[in-house]
Amino acid sequence: DQQVKQNSPSLSVQEGRISILNCDYTNSMFDYFLWYKKYPAEGPTFLISISSIKDKNEDGRFTVFLNKSAKHLSLHIVPSQPGDSAVYFCAVSYGGATNKLIFGTGTLLAVQP
Amino acid sequence: GAVVSQHPSRVICKSGTSVKIECRSLDFQATTMFWYRQFPKKSLMLMATSNEGSKATYEQGVEKDKFLINHASLTLSTLTVTSAHPEDSSFYICSAQRQGAYEQYFGPGTRLTVT
Repeated sequence: DQQVKQNSPSLSVQEGRISILNCDYTNSMFDYFLWYKKYPAEGPTFLISISSIKDKNEDGRFTVFLNKSAKHLSLHIVPSQPGDSAVYFCAVSYGGATNKLIFGTGTLLAVQP
Repeated sequence: GAVVSQHPSRVICKSGTSVKIECRSLDFQATTMFWYRQFPKKSLMLMATSNEGSKATYEQGVEKDKFLINHASLTLSTLTVTSAHPEDSSFYICSAQRQGAYEQYFGPGTRLTVT
């Protein structure tokens, strides 16, 4: 039972264009949402997050959008750069005592020069 | 950002032996640390949550006697894989979290190969 889904296993984008990565979740109780970037054989790197009380958060080239009614989260990267090529994981949390994260399955982004 | 280190980065051991992996938060106090396992081309699977000074909470299906977790201080947690078997070969990643925060900061991971 996958509570967090990233339906696109891979995405290819030209350098300079926008990359849009999508994530869907099933539980409306999730209250915090995060995006991580991961290179092979390394740990994930935190990118950006958003709480359920907001619908948009921006940090430089990265913007996260949250649509609670659709239970949908997206990450926009603009302009995309070759160094952005990596696997991107969305993660969700429903708080509680330990604020555990549930990760999506990941999307491999390839930015072509 | 926060820095989390893991040691060793890569280890090869023989079946039946035990291996200890260390996870350290270098620039903040981590009240909670998490241990994950990643299978090839799969997402991160949470194994257990450890809070400083208390017993770890294991996820369903994770054997607590096989994967011993200790969180003795606010900057150090260890995972010991006991009596390792080839099926334990995997990429193990830890993360650290400040009290009350949602963000987790991950270590670089440890590649374990059991021969």
